[in-house]
Amino acid sequence: DAGVTQSPTHLIKTRGQQVTLRCSPKSGHDTVSWYQQALGQGPQFIFQYYEEEERQRGNFPDRFSGHQFPNYSSELNVNALLLGDSALYLCASTVGSYTEAFFGQGTRLTVV
Amino acid sequence: AQTVTQSQPEMSVQEAETVTLSCTYDTSESDYYLFWYKQPPSRQMILVIRQEAYKQQNATENRFSVNFQKAAKSFSLKISDSQLGDAAMYFCAYRSAFGGTSYGKLTFGQGTILTVHP
Repeated sequence: DAGVTQSPTHLIKTRGQQVTLRCSPKSGHDTVSWYQQALGQGPQFIFQYYEEEERQRGNFPDRFSGHQFPNYSSELNVNALLLGDSALYLCASTVGSYTEAFFGQGTRLTVV
Repeated sequence: AQTVTQSQPEMSVQEAETVTLSCTYDTSESDYYLFWYKQPPSRQMILVIRQEAYKQQNATENRFSVNFQKAAKSFSLKISDSQLGDAAMYFCAYRSAFGGTSYGKLTFGQGTILTVHP
């Protein structure tokens, strides 16, 4: 079982650019949630995808968008990058909303 | 909205000793789940232990146990016989047991860095 896999592991982007992060959920899981973790802080919920639709969203601007594919994998897109978007982006998968969340190792995004 | 607070930014413990990490939370819900996650330098969040609010009995998982005080909205983690591999950032997290707008969203505290001294 490969668990939750995220790519890439590290990324450096310039302010104003756009970025796409990818996540493959644990086998058998159908729900993907994305979290942003600033350095030294706890993760903050961005949004959750289920059945290819955004089901819930945290307090993040529209520059953050996502997508879920028929195979349950997901993408997180961030447009018009700001320096403050530099963070570790974590993907978590579950079966629906009620099982344990399994996390990937995250993507470290640095905006310069 | 639910909030989770960890008031200890850093804690340290000697190998083989016991340490307790504190967590308080605020919610108006009656049924929910509480978790402790461990995040080592590898960055991957690992579930340590889970507590269901409707259960009176405190959860235990090998050397890890919790002290769940529902009325006080307190959820502390006790690590017994600490090992060098326990060194990590520990996060307390809340999840509603209801569907609706919560849909399994985790609300995390700010974290506690645990250092284990040999």
